[in-house]
Amino acid sequence: ETGVTQSPTHLIKTRGQQVTLRCSSQSGHNTVSWYQQALGQGPQFIFQYYREEENGRGNFPPRFSGLQFPNYSSELNVNALELDDSALYLCASSLDRGGEKLFFGSGTQLSVL
Amino acid sequence: AQRVTQPEKLLSVFKGAPVELKCNYSYSGSPELFWYVQYSRQRLQLLLRHISRESIKGFTADLNKGETSFHLKKPFAQEEDSAMYYCALSGGSYIPTFGRGTSLIVHP
Repeated sequence: ETGVTQSPTHLIKTRGQQVTLRCSSQSGHNTVSWYQQALGQGPQFIFQYYREEENGRGNFPPRFSGLQFPNYSSELNVNALELDDSALYLCASSLDRGGEKLFFGSGTQLSVL
Repeated sequence: AQRVTQPEKLLSVFKGAPVELKCNYSYSGSPELFWYVQYSRQRLQLLLRHISRESIKGFTADLNKGETSFHLKKPFAQEEDSAMYYCALSGGSYIPTFGRGTSLIVHP
């Protein structure tokens, strides 16, 4: 059983740039969720993809976008980076979208300067 | 809207003492509730879910719909229980909403 892997582990960008974060879900999991975790806070839901379609979205602006691919991988794209985007970004996969157990990756630590 | 509140940012106890990590939720329907844990240098992982009604590592949690609470309890804390604990709620959207977390420190 493979786990959830995220890349890169750390990333430094400057304000205004664009970034793509990647996640490889656990094999067989057709649902992936992305969370933003600021320092000292709990994970905040960004969006969820189920079978390559967006299945729900949190309170994040359109410059946060995503993709899910048939091979269980997914991407989180953030355009026009702002300083407040600095956070740990977590990917979590689940067997299905219905309140199932989430399997988390180790996260990508994004710093925006 | 669904919301999860963990009122304590930090809980510090001695080994062998009882532990209760508080979680209150706001949701108008029937929620599914979870506790996730993150040990030092490890990823976030599921500890238990209310529908399973199980005890994991000595921890239990009972859903109290009247008080809209899902507190996590353990009668005798161990040093290895030191970790960040997050309460999460899944409502009609089936998308878990997390609390801000409680850091549990168990002293020897």
